[in-house]
Amino acid sequence: QKEVEQDPGPLSVPEGAIVSLNCTYSNSAFQYFMWYRQYSRKGPELLMYTYSSGNKEDGRFTAQVDKSSKYISLFIRDSQPSDSATYLCAMTPLNTGNQFYFGTGTSLTVIP
Amino acid sequence: NAGVTQTPKFRILKIGQSMTLQCTQDMNHNYMYWYRQDPGMGLKLIYYSVGAGITDKGEVPNGYNVSRSTTEDFPLRLELAAPSQTSVYFCASSRRGGSSYEQYFGPGTRLTVT
Repeated sequence: QKEVEQDPGPLSVPEGAIVSLNCTYSNSAFQYFMWYRQYSRKGPELLMYTYSSGNKEDGRFTAQVDKSSKYISLFIRDSQPSDSATYLCAMTPLNTGNQFYFGTGTSLTVIP
Repeated sequence: NAGVTQTPKFRILKIGQSMTLQCTQDMNHNYMYWYRQDPGMGLKLIYYSVGAGITDKGEVPNGYNVSRSTTEDFPLRLELAAPSQTSVYFCASSRRGGSSYEQYFGPGTRLTVT
């Protein structure tokens, strides 16, 4: 079983839709969670990061962590064509290792 | 503040050649990482470093070497390049301390071995 599972999509939505991207994980030691956006032929760009459970909002983006279910989500409101990219989730333990664990990414296309 | 920078952006190598991928960060992060990214395969960790003079293997270290003589620089060496090393290589850094554990990536080096 992979440490982090992420549906690869592809996901295609009309402009203005609410997008939900999700990851599940198996290691209960993960405590710090990140979402990256990666445009084609570019490096991953850090979008949001959260510590432990709860919600965090930044503009049109909301990151949600449910540690009891080992499930994290990224919501994009009022999606724009410029949001078309691959979204990677990542997570790391704080005191039991130095590595980061990534999902394989979900490809999103927002259609004008 | 440039963040994480990588050179070169692109490179074509012949089988058996060697090269060094350069990575520099200006955020004073102790932790630095090298990943490769192949289509549909996600990011795979090659090597990482927890500070100057300390390096450790990741998931796919064979065919690569690293060194960390300064906090800022973490070069990745490919010896005897093989077609299987055709990939996009990303360097990343992280503070991993206090309330800051997120990781920042460079723009990548696209390498083709023919």
